[in-house]
Amino acid sequence: GIQVEQSPPDLILQEGANSTLRCNFSDSVNNLQWFHQNPWGQLINLFYIPSGTKQNGRLSATTVATERYSLLYISSSQTTDSGVYFCAVDHNNAGNMLTFGGGTRLMVKP
Amino acid sequence: DSGVTQTPKHLITATGQRVTLRCSPRSGDLSVYWYQQSLDQGLQFLIQYYNGEERAKGNILERFSAQQFPDLHSELNLSSLELGDSALYFCASSLGPGNEQFFGPGTRLTVL
Repeated sequence: GIQVEQSPPDLILQEGANSTLRCNFSDSVNNLQWFHQNPWGQLINLFYIPSGTKQNGRLSATTVATERYSLLYISSSQTTDSGVYFCAVDHNNAGNMLTFGGGTRLMVKP
Repeated sequence: DSGVTQTPKHLITATGQRVTLRCSPRSGDLSVYWYQQSLDQGLQFLIQYYNGEERAKGNILERFSAQQFPDLHSELNLSSLELGDSALYFCASSLGPGNEQFFGPGTRLTVL
């Protein structure tokens, strides 16, 4: 099956810093989603981005499908950004399942 | 709030028991997905339903089963529970296969 690798696995930032999270995938995908899992366990949708670039406030994402990677940018980080960030891909043409990466655990210190 | 609801939020039970997890999709969504998140396996796809019919299966154990009802809510049944079944179980929904998936708050299952 498809492999989804995220880097770095862990990241510690000082409040106000910027960061880039990477997601590599081993095969072509139909869709890609980024999620934030907060400390209470909720999975929050950040981006639905099979290709191109999207921005939402301090967050932006870019997917280069031909090169099989996606990047999530967090600018001016805040303590509420802490949690785990997951990349998930749909590589099945029937669009039936998401395969998740291992996540990047982010801690933002005040 | 994603619009996907799951009950119960927490469930504590003993080995060998059977439990049922319930999910109501977002209004208008026809696809329902179940995922399991455990410390050792990460987030894994279990099964998907579309408009009442099973569409895809992942690494779902034979002890587990699911269904989607005519009102589109879904239930995941876990039987002969083992310690290793302790995990966070998520339900997600989408308009249809391939559309953006939205996740519920999850049910945290603890098997003692």
